[in-house]
Amino acid sequence: KAGVTQTPRYLIKTRGQQVTLSCSPISGHRSVSWYQQTPGQGLQFLFEYFSETQRNKGNFPGRFSGRQFSNSRSEMNVSTLELGDSALYLCASSPREGYNEQFFGPGTRLTVL
Amino acid sequence: GQQLNQSPQSMFIQEGEDVSMNCTSSSIFNTWLWYKQEPGEGPVLLIALYKAGELTSNGRLTAQFGITRKDSFLNISASIPSDVGIYFCAGQPYNFNKFYFGSGTKLNVKP
Repeated sequence: KAGVTQTPRYLIKTRGQQVTLSCSPISGHRSVSWYQQTPGQGLQFLFEYFSETQRNKGNFPGRFSGRQFSNSRSEMNVSTLELGDSALYLCASSPREGYNEQFFGPGTRLTVL
Repeated sequence: GQQLNQSPQSMFIQEGEDVSMNCTSSSIFNTWLWYKQEPGEGPVLLIALYKAGELTSNGRLTAQFGITRKDSFLNISASIPSDVGIYFCAGQPYNFNKFYFGSGTKLNVKP
C-alpha cells in the first residue's frame, strides 16, 4: 500500500502571497489531519477532515484553511503569508475519524521570504 | 489546555547503551503513539498503545501505556547509530478526536 503523499515537497514564497499544499492519504483512509512543525513550537495541530467535513480545528488564524475532496485527498491553503509561517507542514491520515493510528506524509517545507 | 511533557529533551549515548524516555499528560489518555522523525522526513509510527498497562515491542523498541493512563514510556535496547533521530509521543484524550504531541526527545548515538 502506498503511504501518504504530499506535494510539493519544497516551496519558497514571499510575504503576502498565498500557497496551497496537497495531501493524498493512504488508500482507504478517510481522515486527514494537518500539522505545522517548527523548531520552536513543535507539532501544532491545524485541522482534521473526515468525509469532506472539518471535524476539528486548532488555534490558528483564519488565514489557514483546508478542504477535503470526495476521494479523501485534502488541500490546505495559507493566505497572506507571513515570515512566521515558514515551517514543515505535515499531513497525516487515519482509517477513521480522529481515532486510531495516524500515518504521516513526508511533509512540505515552506519557506517565506 | 492539554499539555504533554516529554523528557528528556535530548540524549547523547554510546552505541550499545539502552535508552528510556517518557511522556506525561495532565489528563487521562485513551491512546498513546510513539513516532520517530529523521531530518527532512515526516514522523514514522513506531508503536501504538490502546490499553492501560499495555506493553508492546517492535524489535529493540518497547513501549508501555502507564496504568494511570497519564503517562507512557519508550525504551530502546542496545542502541545503534541508525537510532539517531527525534522521538515523539502523541496522545489522544478519551472521547476527543485529536492527538496532542510531546516536544520530542532528540537522540544522538555515538559509534
